[in-house]
Amino acid sequence: EPEVTQTPSHQVTQMGQEVILRCVPISNHLYFYWYRQILGQKVEFLVSFYNNEISEKSEIFDDQFSVERPDGSNFTLKIRSTKLEDSAMYFCASSGAQGETYNSPLHFGNGTRLTVT
Amino acid sequence: SQQGEQDPQALSIQEGENATMNCSYKTSINNLQWYRQNSGRGLVHLILIRSNEREKHSGRLRVTLDTSKKSSSLLITASRAADTASYFCATRSSGSRLTFGEGTQLTVNP
Repeated sequence: EPEVTQTPSHQVTQMGQEVILRCVPISNHLYFYWYRQILGQKVEFLVSFYNNEISEKSEIFDDQFSVERPDGSNFTLKIRSTKLEDSAMYFCASSGAQGETYNSPLHFGNGTRLTVT
Repeated sequence: SQQGEQDPQALSIQEGENATMNCSYKTSINNLQWYRQNSGRGLVHLILIRSNEREKHSGRLRVTLDTSKKSSSLLITASRAADTASYFCATRSSGSRLTFGEGTQLTVNP
């Protein structure tokens, strides 16, 4: 069964550095998402992406964050000038094959654990 | 209540028993979904119920939706140790955002 893959599984960075988290969504999906989860707590929406542009973003997703789909397969989340409170699990998800809508279920990757020291 | 409040926060049962967990939400929705998360892993979609549906079944899972009370419940029948996980409800209103609840940690003791 196709799956969403995320790399790296664990990223350690120093405060103030930039990190790029990478995701390969399911190949025929059209909608892409980033979520984060701090220490097994609530899963928080960051951003959704469709047709090469941001569809919706949360209040968490400020100028420190950006997303990109640089080619036909990758979907990246860039965090500039990382802060201690950015430490979390970051999950990529995709949904919606051709003909489907946002209302289809999300398929999640296994996440990148980001640790900011 | 907040969008996606869940109770109980934690539930511990014996293998073979049924597990019921609840979700309440605040705004009108298009659909409500339930996901499962094993420790350290991504979320896995379990079941989706649309706003015009009242009950849905999938294997040992039964989901109900009461839009008048803005609440949903997930019932897992004949639980197994392998069902031990966190369970999250998630609601979609308009737009693309899927908003998750705070989760119920289920422990099934063998």
